[in-house]
Amino acid sequence: NAGVTQTPKFQVLKTGQSMTLQCAQDMNHNSMYWYRQDPGMGLRLIYYSASEGTTDKGEVPNGYNVSRLNKREFSLRLESAAPSQTSVYFCATLTGVPYEQYFGPGTRLTVT
Amino acid sequence: GQQVMQIPQYQHVQEGEDFTTYCNSSTTLSNIQWYKQRPGGHPVFLIQLVKSGEVKKQKRLTFQFGEAKKNSSLHITATQTTDVGTYFCAGPGGGFKTIFGAGTRLFVKA
Repeated sequence: NAGVTQTPKFQVLKTGQSMTLQCAQDMNHNSMYWYRQDPGMGLRLIYYSASEGTTDKGEVPNGYNVSRLNKREFSLRLESAAPSQTSVYFCATLTGVPYEQYFGPGTRLTVT
Repeated sequence: GQQVMQIPQYQHVQEGEDFTTYCNSSTTLSNIQWYKQRPGGHPVFLIQLVKSGEVKKQKRLTFQFGEAKKNSSLHITATQTTDVGTYFCAGPGGGFKTIFGAGTRLFVKA
């Protein structure tokens, strides 16, 4: 089992460019999440999907869109990248009891 | 809104010294979780505490959940260089959300 996979691992964008971060899980978990991590800021929730067919905003949704393509896949789209979106992006799922977040390896994004 | 505060932000220790990080919530938590993130890595679940006053141990790590279920601590006895990383506490954020503390970054000098 691969767990949670994310592509790409690294990306450099220019301001105004768009891109989609991909996340896939093979653990049959219902809930999936996108976080960003900035130095000293911990993990901030961008969007989440409690189950297939639903998505909801988290703490910092501005500038992002998401798609829950099916139970396995949850993508994050930056329509017009800004330098403030330079960060590490983690996709995660929610397991059953205990309710732990299971994280992917992350995508390191730089916007110049 | 709900907040989970974590202190200290950084801690430098000599190998063999003890280390403690503290977590405080603005609201009562049904459970609290702890995660470890190695430098350059992703957060990895360590443990979940559910009961008031609960204490759990994992080798040199001791986790406590306060009686009021609003605070928690992680104590590492006799740190080793393998303990280096950032330790996060996290609690339920309503619905299916999880609220993470900002983390405590541990540096261990050999």
